[in-house]
Amino acid sequence: DGGITQSPKYLFRKEGQNVTLSCEQNLNHDAMYWYRQDPGQGLRLIYYSQIVNDFQKGDIAEGYSVSREKKESFPLTVTSAQKNPTAFYLCATKPLGGGQETQYFGPGTRLLVL
Amino acid sequence: AQSVTQLGSHVSVSEGALVLLRCNYSSSVPPYLFWYVQYPNQGLQLLLKYTSAATLVKGINGFEAEFKKSETSFHLTKPSAHMSDAAEYFCAVSDYQAGTALIFGKGTTLSVSS
Repeated sequence: DGGITQSPKYLFRKEGQNVTLSCEQNLNHDAMYWYRQDPGQGLRLIYYSQIVNDFQKGDIAEGYSVSREKKESFPLTVTSAQKNPTAFYLCATKPLGGGQETQYFGPGTRLLVL
Repeated sequence: AQSVTQLGSHVSVSEGALVLLRCNYSSSVPPYLFWYVQYPNQGLQLLLKYTSAATLVKGINGFEAEFKKSETSFHLTKPSAHMSDAAEYFCAVSDYQAGTALIFGKGTTLSVSS
């Protein structure tokens, strides 16, 4: 069954703690993206990656880190430096080339601070 | 820089009435434009996209949108609203400077009453 998996569905973070959100895809897409969604703010780009072992900062990268060791996986770590991490996090993927511009989204992870 | 503005954070219609959700964009290059729908606590689902072919684009669930370059608009319409259309709708433009990530508007919540 092809698709994008995000886990966990809900995640709780304590003060000063780093937490990692998982994003896995079996669509064989080259590009992967992380967005943050806050009520009334739309989605904002955190990081993106177009190829394994390479990634770029988006508009709101401060307090976050990522890795892209495998084509299928693009985990996002929310570090203790991110002072307001409560949000809905969405991972997206996209094939590159061939005029294909559509991004496909995972089901999301909701991060809450204890 | 590219940007998207969605006019009206909340739109309410009666079942069977016309749905009109407004989106204006700013882009210095020919844009790729998208409408996505989001149901509560879920990821985003593509409704339709404009990629420089036909200016009137038909999507899923009876939605369509018309690209008007002179007005820099890409409004979403549906002739007859259904209760199941109640959701949040996002307009987005492809960002060529960020690995073709998406720049989103802030979203419009559509309510449908019986």
